[in-house]
Amino acid sequence: DTGVSQNPRHKITKRGQNVTFRCDPISEHNRLYWYRQTLGQGPEFLTYFQNEAQLEKSRLLSDRFSAERPKGSFSTLEIQRTEQGDSAMYLCVSKRDSNYGYTFGSGTRLTVV
Amino acid sequence: AQSVAQPEDQVNVAEGNPLTVKCTYSVSGNPYLFWYVQYPNRGLQFLLKYITGDNLVKGSYGFEAEFNKSQTSFHLKKPSALVSDSALYFCAVRDEGGLGGGYQKVTFGTGTKLQVIP
Repeated sequence: DTGVSQNPRHKITKRGQNVTFRCDPISEHNRLYWYRQTLGQGPEFLTYFQNEAQLEKSRLLSDRFSAERPKGSFSTLEIQRTEQGDSAMYLCVSKRDSNYGYTFGSGTRLTVV
Repeated sequence: AQSVAQPEDQVNVAEGNPLTVKCTYSVSGNPYLFWYVQYPNRGLQFLLKYITGDNLVKGSYGFEAEFNKSQTSFHLKKPSALVSDSALYFCAVRDEGGLGGGYQKVTFGTGTKLQVIP
């Protein structure tokens, strides 16, 4: 169990640029969630994958956001035309069906300048 | 839709004193409840969960939480606070939504900052 890995750890980008984050979940975890956390707030749900299928998207996920999990393993989250309001910590969480535990990655901190 | 409320933005407690961090929830069906802790510049760490069974749940680092169905509460407690307990604490509830209730996403509260004073 190597944990949930997220890359990069930090990303600074100029407004209007596109960014992509990667999440590598624990290998046998079929459920994968993306959350966004702003300073001093709780994580907010963005989207959910079960294997390769994206089954739920939050209204927070505007059309500038897209997420994929092409082979049911790693996942990517892309933000197009970034805005300053996108600055946040993006968290990836994975889970296996057979237990109740969620494993959090350390997150990718995005700063849009 | 499920929700979690943490009514206190910050809780201050003297080292060695008992601490309580409050959480109330709203969910249809059986609640699955969690507490997580976040230290500065660190990811969320699991503390404990309530799924079923005893109302008093024991978790990591000497923390425990009491599930109260009638008050829809799940307060986090510790008998004797340590300075190293100072962190941000999140209460969370699992969603039973989706097809057959299978999505299992977690909804978090806004967090409570715990400050333990030496």
